[in-house]
Amino acid sequence: DVKVTQSSRYLVKRTGEKVFLECVQDMDHENMFWYRQDPGLGLRLIYFSYDVKMKEKGDIPEGYSVSREKKERFSLILESASTNQTSMYLCASSLDRYSPLHFGNGTRLTVT
Amino acid sequence: AQSVTQLDSQVPVFEEAPVELRCNYSSSVSVYLFWYVQYPNQGLQLLLKYLSGSTLVKGINGFEAEFNKSQTSFHLRKPSVHISDTAEYFCAVSDGGTGGFKTIFGAGTRLFVKA
Repeated sequence: DVKVTQSSRYLVKRTGEKVFLECVQDMDHENMFWYRQDPGLGLRLIYFSYDVKMKEKGDIPEGYSVSREKKERFSLILESASTNQTSMYLCASSLDRYSPLHFGNGTRLTVT
Repeated sequence: AQSVTQLDSQVPVFEEAPVELRCNYSSSVSVYLFWYVQYPNQGLQLLLKYLSGSTLVKGINGFEAEFNKSQTSFHLRKPSVHISDTAEYFCAVSDGGTGGFKTIFGAGTRLFVKA
């Protein structure tokens, strides 16, 4: 069965800290995604990657960066965490654009 | 760029009543559409998808959706809902990027099924 694993379920960080959110998939998918989910706003795409070391900005990339050094791992980096980055972060992977996304369980990040 | 509009943020409905959750997308040459469901405190899972062919698509748990190209809509329906259908439903469209593709989601519709 498909599995997308996010390293932390809950995370509390202070303003200004550098934050790493890790995501690993075991399906050999080339495509991986990072979203944030906020009430009333749905899922908003932060970054996506279609191959190792290849990445593209999504709709809300400001304040974030990503790293894809290995096919199975896609990391989201908050360079200097701010309170408006408090949110639920969802990682997903997909075989291709015709296939569904497979989601991790999410990381609820609180920035104080 | 693609966008997805879910016209209702919340839909309350009584058990065994029919329901329609509305979704409109911005036009594109080719479009691939999805509905996902998120039950309380759970992750998102696929409900159904439209890639091509028949415009009426059947999914899990008795849901179906109709693709309407002229109205750029992909509304989700169920003829008789159950309490267990209470969840948040997301419409999504797959759009090509410069290298790969991205999936854009609507803001979601919360379905409340009342006894």
